[in-house]
Amino acid sequence: DAGITQSPRHKVTETGTPVTLRCHQTENHRYMYWYRQDPGHGLRLIHYSYGVKDTDKGEVSDGYSVSRSKTEDFLLTLESATSSQTSVYFCAISESGSGSYNSPLHFGNGTRLTVT
Amino acid sequence: KQEVTQIPAALSVPEGENLVLNCSFTDSAIYNLQWFRQDPGKGLTSLLLIQSSQREQTSGRLNASLDKSSGRSTLYIAASQPGDSATYLCAVRLGGYQKVTFGTGTKLQVIP
Repeated sequence: DAGITQSPRHKVTETGTPVTLRCHQTENHRYMYWYRQDPGHGLRLIHYSYGVKDTDKGEVSDGYSVSRSKTEDFLLTLESATSSQTSVYFCAISESGSGSYNSPLHFGNGTRLTVT
Repeated sequence: KQEVTQIPAALSVPEGENLVLNCSFTDSAIYNLQWFRQDPGKGLTSLLLIQSSQREQTSGRLNASLDKSSGRSTLYIAASQPGDSATYLCAVRLGGYQKVTFGTGTKLQVIP
């Protein structure tokens, strides 16, 4: 298994509170991603990073921000949690290099977030 | 916009049967296609990745094929086992690292 650790694994929070999810990798991969998985929608990209301090928006970025101060850590912050952000959040990584477009994605085990 | 479809959404087969899972995509200008399995409450485990220049990839009892011109990929599982029970997802990469589209998966149950 790729060395990807997500924390926490489960979280319940109240509407309006800020929440930070952490993804830690031990593979020294350049690219990191945050996805959310919802029934009927599959996996959707929230934000991604292509290097330290280099991040960009994905398909469903509203209400989320990210930071990457070290290669191994990628943080996802819900600035003011809403019930629509109840979901399972997955971090993924992929390698860098000239063949990066053909490098597989590897996923962490996810964080189940419930916003009440 | 790339659309990825997996049909059927669920499949139940007896142990030992050979089976085929389907993945269809609308934009054939892909870089690669990746198959995953997901167990309940777990993340996605990468099974196979097929580059756009390849026709198939094999790993153990799994064989994935790719036909870009028709926008289809199949995942063949030989001699299915109860441990193969999981949801299988395909993901298509169109270009840069942000351009990966996932299907919604086929939930497979292998009955002993």
